[in-house]
Amino acid sequence: DVKVTQSSRYLVKRTGEKVFLECVQDMDHENMFWYRQDPGLGLRLIYFSYDVKMKEKGDIPEGYSVSREKKERFSLILESASTNQTSMYLCASSLVQGGNQPQHFGDGTRLSIL
Amino acid sequence: SQQGEEDPQALSIQEGENATMNCSYKTSINNLQWYRQNSGRGLVHLILIRSNEREKHSGRLRVTLDTSKKSSSLLITASRAADTASYFCAYRMDSSYKLIFGSGTRLLVRP
Repeated sequence: DVKVTQSSRYLVKRTGEKVFLECVQDMDHENMFWYRQDPGLGLRLIYFSYDVKMKEKGDIPEGYSVSREKKERFSLILESASTNQTSMYLCASSLVQGGNQPQHFGDGTRLSIL
Repeated sequence: SQQGEEDPQALSIQEGENATMNCSYKTSINNLQWYRQNSGRGLVHLILIRSNEREKHSGRLRVTLDTSKKSSSLLITASRAADTASYFCAYRMDSSYKLIFGSGTRLLVRP
């Protein structure tokens, strides 16, 4: 089974801090994704990576950046955390770009910015 | 917005009953997928149906797709308390890598 591991289940940070959320997958998937999930707004794509060092903006990239130095690891960075970034963050991976492959999700990081 | 719409938003049924959730979308699609999310956890992929398919089964799950109406339904038969979760449809548009997720249906199965 594919395993997608997010480094923290719960995280509390302060406004203005630089925050790193880490995600690791163990199945050699090319694609990795970062979403945020908010009540009433569903899942929204922040960033997507289809290969090492490659990234594309999703629907809501403002205030975020990403890093993919190794195929198995995809990091989401909040450059200067703000309270409106309090949310559930979900990482996912999939086998190939496009196509009929499902996405495999981690258990999420519930981030609170105070 | 391209976000898929799901209805009902919430559904409460008795164990043993069937649960039906519906998803509508606005564009042409390559495939449509259904995911399940237990409270406080990540999403788990349930089933994928391609745009040229009309129906697909997996265990107690049955998914239909009507591309002319731009809609899909997920049927869970003989529901169990363990089926209590949120269910999301997600579709991939033609020529796009992105999955567009629906708003979700919260299912409660009462023992």
